[in-house]
Amino acid sequence: GESVGLHLPTLSVQEGDNSIINCAYSNSASDYFIWYKQESGKGPQFIIDIRSNMDKRQGQRVTVLLNKTVKHLSLQIAATQPGDSAVYFCAENERAYSGGGADGLTFGKGTHLIIQP
Amino acid sequence: DVKVTQSSRYLVKRTGEKVFLECVQDMDHENMFWYRQDPGLGLRLIYFSYDVKMKEKGDIPEGYSVSREKKERFSLILESASTNQTSMYLCASSPSGRANEQFFGPGTRLTVL
Repeated sequence: GESVGLHLPTLSVQEGDNSIINCAYSNSASDYFIWYKQESGKGPQFIIDIRSNMDKRQGQRVTVLLNKTVKHLSLQIAATQPGDSAVYFCAENERAYSGGGADGLTFGKGTHLIIQP
Repeated sequence: DVKVTQSSRYLVKRTGEKVFLECVQDMDHENMFWYRQDPGLGLRLIYFSYDVKMKEKGDIPEGYSVSREKKERFSLILESASTNQTSMYLCASSPSGRANEQFFGPGTRLTVL
């Protein structure tokens, strides 16, 4: 797949504020996008995903926005807490693989979210 | 909860050694993956498998091989370790029909001296 990248390597926010983590992708054929959270010393953990036929999806305290026109993906975290400190990765795949088959994900390089007390 | 375990958290090997990294998942997932994670490069796919005894090359398979003799176990093999294979290795698994919902293990940090 083509590269998936992030606008900022580090994002610092005040506790209680909302966080917005951005991701730019270059593969116009991407059909599936996913956000992972990786805490120090742990493997990545699934947060939320979105298909290319959607432009917004909400989870618990998180929202993912997809703008296919400019190939931009963002993760919004409401009321940021200390436990949100982590590196956040966006990832994509050209296929959703909802009917079988598999392929690896193409990951961005990550954004380190730092929570200020 | 899905559990993906990796045999070692930290491993130190010497150049030229044969290295085995083991991964086991307990959720009967069909798909399993090996990635390496390096600072500034994110995660890169080495190999994956969508069934027992099946394997597919990822983006950076050179210097690696894999083995999937049982559904729950996926091994990554470094035939002759080199210093540029010093990295964090992450194993993941996912179910058929939801292949992109990958569950990751804690990782093995391999240092090759």
